[in-house]
Amino acid sequence: QLVLTQSPSASASLGASVKVTCTLSSGHSGYSIAWHQQQPEKGPRYLMMLNSDGSHIKGDGIPDRFSGSSSGAERYLTISSLQSEDEADYYCQSWGTGPFVVFGGGTKLTVL
Amino acid sequence: QVQLVESGGGVVQPGRSLRLSCAASGFTFSSYAMHWLRQAPGRGLEWVAGMWYDGSNKYYPDSVKGRFTISRDNSKNTLYLQMNSLRAEDTAIYYCARDADATSKYYFDYWGQGTLVTVSS
Repeated sequence: QLVLTQSPSASASLGASVKVTCTLSSGHSGYSIAWHQQQPEKGPRYLMMLNSDGSHIKGDGIPDRFSGSSSGAERYLTISSLQSEDEADYYCQSWGTGPFVVFGGGTKLTVL
Repeated sequence: QVQLVESGGGVVQPGRSLRLSCAASGFTFSSYAMHWLRQAPGRGLEWVAGMWYDGSNKYYPDSVKGRFTISRDNSKNTLYLQMNSLRAEDTAIYYCARDADATSKYYFDYWGQGTLVTVSS
């Protein structure tokens, strides 16, 4: 059974960079994921789909400040030049045959 | 631009039914699989239903299978979720979301703003 694990919180200063991590459970290192952003009191927003080889498909209008990368069972979302509006919850999501859809518990990003 | 607007939420008693709607615009609705997801207050996201572009295949997780039914009217660009035998644990904001493909890649490239369903006596 695929489980996605995220740190509950992260923080970084305005203008700095931050890397948010999503860890896939054992035996699932080949799975693709999607990253979604949820600003306070809003619906989620798709950021990108990220494959195990690091290739990705970004959503419409997503700034270049948002990038994704992969290493083994880890999937990363890097946000550079942090802005106040980047303060949000970030969820990773994956899927598989069944079908099934799973989400990580989310990482709450605070911009200091 | 792509827009998904949910409606139909409200307060409903346990055991009763409710139907949600999602009005889509800004894209060719009949060319995409569509989904419903939910988020309980202060909690994470959960997928609750999905269907292919033409309605030929529908999928549900075990938590709602047999109680929830997803449907669509491509002539009206509208997605529906019929929820029966509602339970307190179904209380959540319900989101409509577009799949990245016609026959479901199971990731969601556009989301609505959500509609709140509260199941309470």
